[in-house]
Amino acid sequence: TQLLEQSPQFLSIQEGENLTVYCNSSSVFSSLQWYRQEPGEGPVLLVTVVTGGEVKKLKRLTFQFGDARKDSSLHITAAQPGDTGLYLCAGAETSGSRLTFGEGTQLTVNP
Amino acid sequence: DAGVIQSPRHEVTEMGQEVTLRCKPISGHNSLFWYRQTMMRGLELLIYFNNNVPIDDSGMPEDRFSAKMPNASFSTLKIQPSEPRDSAVYFCASSSYGGAKNIQYFGAGTRLSVL
Repeated sequence: TQLLEQSPQFLSIQEGENLTVYCNSSSVFSSLQWYRQEPGEGPVLLVTVVTGGEVKKLKRLTFQFGDARKDSSLHITAAQPGDTGLYLCAGAETSGSRLTFGEGTQLTVNP
Repeated sequence: DAGVIQSPRHEVTEMGQEVTLRCKPISGHNSLFWYRQTMMRGLELLIYFNNNVPIDDSGMPEDRFSAKMPNASFSTLKIQPSEPRDSAVYFCASSSYGGAKNIQYFGAGTRLSVL
């Protein structure tokens, strides 16, 4: 069974601060996805990274896939209260359609 | 497209009762997933289907849980009899198997409370 460890589990910061969330595994994934979930809603895809070493930017969010495709990070610059939510990483198997989800990082950005 | 549609959004029932959760996947998607989310265990995959066929049900907690997908546009997750420990948010997601990077699209979930 492939496992994804996400850290930190909880993060509470002030508006304007930077933060990084990590997602680590001993398994290789064909791609890795980051989702954000808001209260009362399902997870929504933010980005997919496919190539080892790939870096993608989405406004103030920067996503990186490790060279060996076993780990990923999400960095948020100048966090805003609207960034508050549960961030989930998910690894796609090399074959098949299932995803392995991390435990999630609950981010709270205080004004 | 309306996205993945789940019903009901909220369900409150008493221990021992049968509960049926419903899901309509995105049209054209051929994979469907049922997840359970709790604070303690996070997001857990219960079962998934490819082309209406169950592929992996190893996440189904026990025989009280069953899932069906009679056609490409409808799936149900049934709990009979329900127990208080089944209280959680249940999500359905769909994707296009073999499509872009296995991106899954989630419904808004059903919040189940078993008293």
